[in-house]
Amino acid sequence: QSVLTQPPSVSGAPGQRVTISCTGSSFNIGAGYGVHWYQQLPGAAPKLLIYGDSNRPSGVPDRFSGAKSGTSASLAITGLQADDEADYYCQSYDNSLSASAVFGGGTKLTVL
Amino acid sequence: QVQLQESGPGLVKPSETLSLTCSVSGASISSHYWSWIRQPPGKGLEWIGYINSSGSTNKNPSLKSRVSMSIDTSQNHFSLKLTSVTAADTAVYFCTRIARDSFEIWGQGTMVTVSS
Repeated sequence: QSVLTQPPSVSGAPGQRVTISCTGSSFNIGAGYGVHWYQQLPGAAPKLLIYGDSNRPSGVPDRFSGAKSGTSASLAITGLQADDEADYYCQSYDNSLSASAVFGGGTKLTVL
Repeated sequence: QVQLQESGPGLVKPSETLSLTCSVSGASISSHYWSWIRQPPGKGLEWIGYINSSGSTNKNPSLKSRVSMSIDTSQNHFSLKLTSVTAADTAVYFCTRIARDSFEIWGQGTMVTVSS
């Protein structure tokens, strides 16, 4: 059972927009900790996609965007492409676990 | 370009100690915090702990009693030891650099299997 809750899977057709939710609590996201998102392509290490709720590292396309409200966060992907098919993880920190880093269980994005 | 590379045995016997090293190139290990994360086969990511250049650490409470981390600024690498391993510790182990509270740069990962 992950501290942060994500849907196990989402899907969309090429060109469409999809969102992935990440639900936490007052101990983590709601406590003001930033939310970060990672993309893990098959057989590869995760890659930082969004940091600090809504910031993109250099080189990440603006098709990817993040938002946070209250105890939840979301990742939006617009103009879906075949190579966006991957696992996506949200991450934050948790006060009740001595400021440990915590991850969501991951969401598998399928491009139809 | 900053690169991280994990190294260590790919097979560890039950009850023994798992030892891994992460070599950092392209940046000094004296800046930033550094972390270990693992991923069991077919499962999600689990944070193990982080260390800074002074040797201060924070560890996942669920693993704290079995985890130790160290850092060698002269060799520009940091290390992980996990004691009393079981099959549940079988996973790909990643080392990462922390920046702006996120896991900014990742090593390619190394698979460690616990089996007799």
